[in-house]
Amino acid sequence: AQKVTQAQTEISVVEKEDVTLDCVYETRDTTYYLFWYKQPPSGELVFLIRRNSFDEQNEISGRYSWNFQKSTSSFNFTITASQVVDSAVYFCALSDGNNNDMRFGAGTRLTVKP
Amino acid sequence: KAGVTQTPRYLIKTRGQQVTLSCSPISGHRSVSWYQQTPGQGLQFLFEYFSETQRNKGNFPGRFSGRQFSNSRSEMNVSTLELGDSALYLCASRTGTGHVAETQYFGPGTRLLVL
Repeated sequence: AQKVTQAQTEISVVEKEDVTLDCVYETRDTTYYLFWYKQPPSGELVFLIRRNSFDEQNEISGRYSWNFQKSTSSFNFTITASQVVDSAVYFCALSDGNNNDMRFGAGTRLTVKP
Repeated sequence: KAGVTQTPRYLIKTRGQQVTLSCSPISGHRSVSWYQQTPGQGLQFLFEYFSETQRNKGNFPGRFSGRQFSNSRSEMNVSTLELGDSALYLCASRTGTGHVAETQYFGPGTRLLVL
């Protein structure tokens, strides 16, 4: 069965600090997809990134970066120089190879204080 | 391109009533999935519709049902509401053509409160 674990329930940082959100997954599939979504207080899940299991190349998008390591089944998300607008709940999700069964982690609530 | 829209945004019902929620996907998207989000259980998959047919189903009782229309708009219905049905119901759409690299895009959700 597929499972996503986000061990950090809540994280609080001060603006401009770097913060890493952890995500560990379990799957028996050889082909799978990993996602990160951001959920601001408005409730809508905002797509951030998708990564397939064959692409372990790390990615950087502005202040966001993602570290995918199959050896440890982890897909961690780092925000550099955090800002108050980064405050939200962040979800890591895992989808099977057919993109038919998406499992979400419990989410990590990030609070960035000014 | 307009995003996924959901109506209503907020709803208050009493136990035993039924409720219908609506979702309009992104233009061109034929797959619509529904999720329930609660503080205790997190985000849980309800079901997915594609071309007016239910393609996948999560582990929810039969009180939860849905349908999809020819224009890809979808509705979900919850009958005989229970207090535990209070949740944020999120709808997500994707093209659904089976391309493995697809991403789901979510709507703002309908917040349902059952009293």
